Amino acid sequence: AQSVTQPDARVTVSEGASLQLRCKYSYSGTPYLFWYVQYPRQGLQLLLKYYSGDPVVQGVNGFEAEFIKSNSSFHLRKASVHWSDSAVYFCAVSGSSSGQKLVFGQGTILKVYL
Amino acid sequence: ETAVFQTPNYHVTQVGNEVSFNCKQTLGHDTMYWYKQDSKKLLKIMFSYNNKQLIVNETVPRRFSPQSSDKAHLNLRIKSVEPEDSAVYLCASSRDWDNYAEQFFGPGTRLTVL
Repeated sequence: AQSVTQPDARVTVSEGASLQLRCKYSYSGTPYLFWYVQYPRQGLQLLLKYYSGDPVVQGVNGFEAEFIKSNSSFHLRKASVHWSDSAVYFCAVSGSSSGQKLVFGQGTILKVYL
Repeated sequence: ETAVFQTPNYHVTQVGNEVSFNCKQTLGHDTMYWYKQDSKKLLKIMFSYNNKQLIVNETVPRRFSPQSSDKAHLNLRIKSVEPEDSAVYLCASSRDWDNYAEQFFGPGTRLTVL
């Protein structure tokens, strides 16, 4: 079965700084990888996803993530954060076999201060 | 723009009562899900339906039962709630049961059991 670890429960950065949110997954086959964001009192929204091809995927609002198979990682990055990026970010993995469910990490709370 | 609707937004009840939560999606998707998000933001899949058929039924207490009248609606009933049922219940939908399909989430129903 697949699993996801987000080692940082909380990250605080100043506006304009660069950002990296870490994600490590565990899955024996080919993983499907996702990053979702949850703003206060809202549901989750997809930022980006990866299945194959270029290991660096671009998402919405300037976010990108890099799939590094040798490290089982799918870290999320942004060159310059805005205060409105403050939210909870979830990494998720699904397996490529039929009927695999989506498994979420514990989430990382991002606080951007002015 | 919201396309997955959940009612109610909040519900406060006492131990032993029965509650029902509604979910409707207007995206024309075939697959719908219920997730439980606890106070630490941890997300766990509870049920998945594809074209009104139950396809995923995680290990949840038997007092939880999903109900689907058509593929646009997936409700959740909890008979005799307990304190540990306090959580946010998130409904989601996806185009189909493809493991790579993006899931669209509703804003959630926050349940408080006194």
